[in-house]
Amino acid sequence: ELKVEQNPLFLSMQEGKNYTIYCNYSTTSDRLYWYRQDPGKSLESLFVLLSNGAVKQEGRLMASLDTKARLSTLHITAAVHDLSATYFCAVDLPTSGSRLTFGEGTQLTVNP
Amino acid sequence: DVKVTQSSRYLVKRTGEKVFLECVQDMDHENMFWYRQDPGLGLRLIYFSYDVKMKEKGDIPEGYSVSREKKERFSLILESASTNQTSMYLCASSLWTSGGGEQFFGPGTRLTVL
Repeated sequence: ELKVEQNPLFLSMQEGKNYTIYCNYSTTSDRLYWYRQDPGKSLESLFVLLSNGAVKQEGRLMASLDTKARLSTLHITAAVHDLSATYFCAVDLPTSGSRLTFGEGTQLTVNP
Repeated sequence: DVKVTQSSRYLVKRTGEKVFLECVQDMDHENMFWYRQDPGLGLRLIYFSYDVKMKEKGDIPEGYSVSREKKERFSLILESASTNQTSMYLCASSLWTSGGGEQFFGPGTRLTVL
């Protein structure tokens, strides 16, 4: 059974600081997705990582995938308040049919 | 852009009522999904469908059924609503690939069962 673990689950940081959210998964996969969810809202797709070594960047967020370590990171650079949200990673396997397995989510709060 | 819409943003129902939640996507996606999201429990898959009239149970199908009569529409049915089904319900769709594929989510329906 594929397990996806994120850490930390809660992150409070100051504006201007850098930090990294980690997503570990238990079974080999080369496809991983990052989503953002604002309070009371739905999930919005952020990044799609489809191979080992993939790196995607948008604004202050950068995601990477290391399939050998079964690890993806979401790096936040010079955080701003608007980045406050819950971030989910999700992994899929060719053997899982159409399903994605989601991590528990990391609730990020950026304080002024 | 993929657009996934859900019939209601907020819904209040009484215990024992039959409830229909509708989801429509406009990008010809084969796969459609229903999740519920509760604080501290993350996203839990209720049912999914990979083709018209096909359905597969997810992790928590009890108390729910689904219908997919047309490719673009996937309905979640609560046969007899109960208070423990008060939750945020999220619909998603994706293209069929050899694996899961990126899922696109609707805005969600917050259901309250009194």
